Amino acid sequence: GQSLEQPSEVTAVEGAIVQINCTYQTSGFYGLSWYQQHDGGAPTFLSYNALDGLEETGRFSSFLSRSDSYGYLLLQELQMKDSASYFCAVTSWGKFQFGAGTQVVVTP
Amino acid sequence: DAGVTQSPTHLIKTRGQQVTLRCSPKSGHDTVSWYQQALGQGPQFIFQYYEEEERQRGNFPDRFSGHQFPNYSSELNVNALLLGDSALYLCASSPWTGEDTDTQYFGPGTRLTVL
Repeated sequence: GQSLEQPSEVTAVEGAIVQINCTYQTSGFYGLSWYQQHDGGAPTFLSYNALDGLEETGRFSSFLSRSDSYGYLLLQELQMKDSASYFCAVTSWGKFQFGAGTQVVVTP
Repeated sequence: DAGVTQSPTHLIKTRGQQVTLRCSPKSGHDTVSWYQQALGQGPQFIFQYYEEEERQRGNFPDRFSGHQFPNYSSELNVNALLLGDSALYLCASSPWTGEDTDTQYFGPGTRLTVL
């Protein structure tokens, strides 16, 4: 079967670094994406990895290891506005499967 | 550049009724996907439409059906509503080919409440 696992909640202070891990089990894997969703809002795209390695976009970086079926999202220099849910999502056989999400709580 | 739009914003129905939700994709996108998001959960993939045909489907019963029009807009229909169908329904668009094909651009969603 297919599954994605990510922590349910992470709490950190402003300015800190947070890493959200995602492990997946799926056939026909094509790529791993990350989305941010604020309460009451729609998910917004953050990053995408189809190949092994690190992708950096400003304060956010995403990593993929296809051999380990593992990826992570790194949030640096945390700001209060980063408080949100973060979802990893795999693309496989043309379908998108999202994880249950990680609630990131940023405290002053 | 118009993003993904959905209507209505909110909807209240009773068990057994039927509902139709609408979506217009982001300008330049020809592929529309629908998701169901229950409170506290991640979006669950319902199906994807391209060239007016259902191309991929998730684990949803036949009560969930859809349509795509020549202008790429799409509808999601749910028949015989159950209490468990209460959720946020998200539409996402993407191009079928090109760099962004695996990026989902989401609309604001339709909040469906079934009483």
